[in-house]
Amino acid sequence: AQKITQTQPGMFVQEKEAVTLDCTYDTSDPSYGLFWYKQPSSGEMIFLIYQGSYDQQNATEGRYSLNFQKARKSANLVISASQLGDSAMYFCAMREGWPSYDKVIFGPGTSLSVIP
Amino acid sequence: EAQVTQNPRYLITVTGKKLTVTCSQNMNHEYMSWYRQDPGLGLRQIYYSMNVEVTDKGDVPEGYKVSRKEKRNFPLILESPSPNQTSLYFCASSRLPYTEAFFGQGTRLTVV
Repeated sequence: AQKITQTQPGMFVQEKEAVTLDCTYDTSDPSYGLFWYKQPSSGEMIFLIYQGSYDQQNATEGRYSLNFQKARKSANLVISASQLGDSAMYFCAMREGWPSYDKVIFGPGTSLSVIP
Repeated sequence: EAQVTQNPRYLITVTGKKLTVTCSQNMNHEYMSWYRQDPGLGLRQIYYSMNVEVTDKGDVPEGYKVSRKEKRNFPLILESPSPNQTSLYFCASSRLPYTEAFFGQGTRLTVV
């Protein structure tokens, strides 16, 4: 069974609009971490945002925010005011495996295209 | 500049010819790992290392070996590459297991 599900293989968004990229996860560990990474067409992996399972507040980093709903096991990425440079693949990832958290699982990714 | 360096960036090889992809980080990170990226599958963890001389298998370790003799280096070894190991490979390091990972530029490997 997939531990990380990203149900949107591809998405389009108008420039300057907000967009939400979905991520649901499955774990029985009480403690885990959730990450989002961006992969532009050039291929590098860029860290965007992190949410710990015990964090009380949703994480935010500039235009990126993470809508964390623990009971629903979802960790959606919200990008506000989309820019052309946001066009890329976006991966949701989870670290689990108490106490070392050495297991890392990535979702299949969502391809985001920003339209001028 | 803080970075993770992989070499080579591109490699075409033949089935059965042993190869090594090097990975080096200059951030004194304890945690390092290797991933392969295939279309539609995202990144899958091959091996990881929590510290020098401590390595463990990820989800897809078959056909790969690693070593961690020094903190900064974490080479990936394919003893007898096969065409199903054609993929994009990433090395990553992080200060702690639950902090952000810094990725290398990737190595695109083709096995013919």
